[in-house]
Amino acid sequence: DQQVKQNSPSLSVQEGRISILNCDYTNSMFDYFLWYKKYPAEGPTFLISISSIKDKNEDGRFTVFLNKSAKHLSLHIVPSQPGDSAVYFCAATFYSGAGSYQLTFGKGTKLSVIP
Amino acid sequence: NAGVTQTPKFRILKIGQSMTLQCTQDMNHNYMYWYRQDPGMGLKLIYYSVGAGITDKGEVPNGYNVSRSTTEDFPLRLELAAPSQTSVYFCASSGGFEAFFGQGTRLTVV
Repeated sequence: DQQVKQNSPSLSVQEGRISILNCDYTNSMFDYFLWYKKYPAEGPTFLISISSIKDKNEDGRFTVFLNKSAKHLSLHIVPSQPGDSAVYFCAATFYSGAGSYQLTFGKGTKLSVIP
Repeated sequence: NAGVTQTPKFRILKIGQSMTLQCTQDMNHNYMYWYRQDPGMGLKLIYYSVGAGITDKGEVPNGYNVSRSTTEDFPLRLELAAPSQTSVYFCASSGGFEAFFGQGTRLTVV
């Protein structure tokens, strides 16, 4: 049972255009969402996050939108640059007391930005 | 800035062998995690720890063991390696929602 779903395994975008990566979740207890970026042979690195009390969070070229009623979030990258080419993981979490902040990950979307 | 350090980076094991994947963090984080990533899949939680002396199972704990004797270290032990354990293993630590990951250990069991 996949609680966090990224239905697009890959996405290709021209340099300078907008990249939109999508993520859906099923667990209503999730109250914090994160995007991680991963280059080959490296560990995931934190990119941007959003709390469930917000519907938008912006950091430079990266914006995350959250639609709680649809259980959907998206990551917008504007403008896209070749260095953005990586695998992007959507993750969700909630504080479960003794269980700490367990991150549940999607399968990832491989973004290719074409020069 | 060291952050989360994993060793080794690569390892080939024969079926039935055992090994320990090392993980250490210098951020004084209470929470530490072990994930595995199989090809084309997301990261799946193996074990986690909320502090020294406290560990618990994640989604895919079978075939693994962990210990947490100090805040800094969280080793992952494979006792009887099986081909199904061929994967990339990531250790992470967090002080809250955001987790910081190591570079990963690529393990092949043949």
